[in-house]
This record gives sequence, C-alpha cells and structure tokens, in this order.
Amino acid sequence: NAGVTQTPKFRILKIGQSMTLQCTQDMNHNYMYWYRQDPGMGLKLIYYSVGAGITDKGEVPNGYNVSRSTTEDFPLRLELAAPSQTSVYFCASSGLAGYNEQFFGPGTRLTVL
Amino acid sequence: DAKTTQPNSMESNEEEPVHLPCNHSTISGTDYIHWYRQLPSQGPEYVIHGLTSNVNNRMASLAIAEDRKSSTLILHRATLRDAAVYYCIRGAGGKLIFGQGTELSVKP
Repeated sequence: NAGVTQTPKFRILKIGQSMTLQCTQDMNHNYMYWYRQDPGMGLKLIYYSVGAGITDKGEVPNGYNVSRSTTEDFPLRLELAAPSQTSVYFCASSGLAGYNEQFFGPGTRLTVL
Repeated sequence: DAKTTQPNSMESNEEEPVHLPCNHSTISGTDYIHWYRQLPSQGPEYVIHGLTSNVNNRMASLAIAEDRKSSTLILHRATLRDAAVYYCIRGAGGKLIFGQGTELSVKP
C-alpha cells in the first residue's frame, strides 16, 4: 500500500493563478482531510470529507474548494492564489473520524509570489 | 480557547524517560485526546489517543488526569529518532484541532 500520496511536492504560483493539489489514498478510508501548516505553527484544517459526495468546511476554508467524487481522491482547488496561501499543505485520511489514527501524506510546499 | 496548551520546547537525554505535559481544561466529555508527532519536512505521525483511561501502545503511554483537564505523553526511553514536534490535540467531532506543539530535543 502506498498510503496517502500527494502531488505535486513543490509548486510556485503567481498571484491570481489557479491550481489543484491532488491527494489519493489506497486504504479505502471514508474520511479525508486537507490541512495547511504555516512556518512554526501547527496544522489548521481547511476542508474535510466523510465520504464520496460529502464535504464540509474546517477552520480556514476561505480561498479553497474541494470535491470528493470517489473514495480514493480528494483534490483541493485554489482559484485565485494569494501570498497568504503560501504554506505546506497536508492531506490525511482515516477509517473512522476523530477516534482513529489519521494517516498523513508527505505534503505539498506551495509558494505564491 | 478550544486548543490545548503545551510547553514550547523540552530537552531529554537519550535512553531516559520523557514526560510531555498538555493542558486541555475546556475539553468536552466526548472529545478524544490525540498525540501526533512531526519530524522535520514530514507529515504528522500518529502516536496515541485516549478518552478517559490511560493507554499504552508500542510507541508510548498516555496518562489522562481523572478530571480530563490535562494529560501526559510518556516516552519510556527516548532515542535520537524521537526528536520531533509533539502535538497534543483535541479531537472534536472527527476533526483534529492542532495547537503549536512541543519541540522535543534529545541529547546523546
């Protein structure tokens, strides 16, 4: 099992550009999450999903969109990139929400200039 | 504040036990207490979690106060590979609410 995979590993965007961060898990987990981590800080939840077709906002959803059409994939979309979105983005999945282990991907380092 | 409170940093000697404290005085009765750790340039890694009773696994032990307002993560014998940022996290309705964590350094 590959676990949780994320692409790309690094990306530099110009202000106003758009991009999609990809996240895939092969553990058949229902729950998937997107977090961002600013330098020296803990992670903050952006969006999460409890299953295909169901998504909900986390602590910091503004400027992002998500979709969940399959169990395996949970892409994160940035429509109009801003410097404040410079961060490291982590995707995670778990079999049971809140009560079981979350498995994290390796992260995507995004810089917006 | 819904987040937990931890010391910013702690030091330990290799092969000695480490006790990492965490305060969560506003935790609700149904919120689990989770501990994750993060090595440099990696995603967080699960360590342990619990609700009311003390918990043990191959990595660590979790001691939860009777009033649930605080907990302690115990690494029984610290190794150099245990140097990381340790997050004490309140699990609320399926969501993990991260604080800033404790940076643990381990001296040989």
